[in-house]
Amino acid sequence: DVKVTQSSRYLVKRTGEKVFLECVQDMDHENMFWYRQDPGLGLRLIYFSYDVKMKEKGDIPEGYSVSREKKERFSLILESASTNQTSMYLCASRVRDYSYEQYFGPGTRLTVT
Amino acid sequence: KQEVTQIPAALSVPEGENLVLNCSFTDSAIYNLQWFRQDPGKGLTSLLLIQSSQREQTSGRLNASLDKSSGRSTLYIAASQPGDSATYLCAVLLDRTGANNLFFGTGTRLTVIP
Repeated sequence: DVKVTQSSRYLVKRTGEKVFLECVQDMDHENMFWYRQDPGLGLRLIYFSYDVKMKEKGDIPEGYSVSREKKERFSLILESASTNQTSMYLCASRVRDYSYEQYFGPGTRLTVT
Repeated sequence: KQEVTQIPAALSVPEGENLVLNCSFTDSAIYNLQWFRQDPGKGLTSLLLIQSSQREQTSGRLNASLDKSSGRSTLYIAASQPGDSATYLCAVLLDRTGANNLFFGTGTRLTVIP
């Protein structure tokens, strides 16, 4: 079974703090994603990585950066957390074969106070 | 831009009923369509994936169908159980490369009443 894990289920941070969200997948997938999910807005893509050290902006990259130094790990960084970044953050990975099936982690509920 | 719509937004059924969830999309140039389940406060769990060349996929009590030309997919759940209560999302992968090629519906929240 594919496993995508995220470092924290719940996180509370203060405004202005630097926040790291970590995601690890164990299936050697090339593609990894970070989304945020908000009520009424659905899932929105923040960043995408199609391989190690490769990244592409999604729909809402402002205020975020990412790092992918190893194939299995994709980190989302909030350089200076703000209250409007309070959200559910979901990491996903995708197999790059015939199926292109996407798998999600359990999510991190981030609250910025 | 691909628009993915799921109707209804919420559905309540008594236990044991068969039910159908709907997903429609505007751009038929899709590569595949994936159905997910999301429990409150949790991540998305993949249920079924249908390639554009397929008409349906089955897993246990779940059956997903795809009519690419009309831009529709349905998820059929047989003999519903309270444990099926969750939000169900469909996602369409467009047949092109790039990050922004996966489009999600806003989901149907299903409640199965014991």
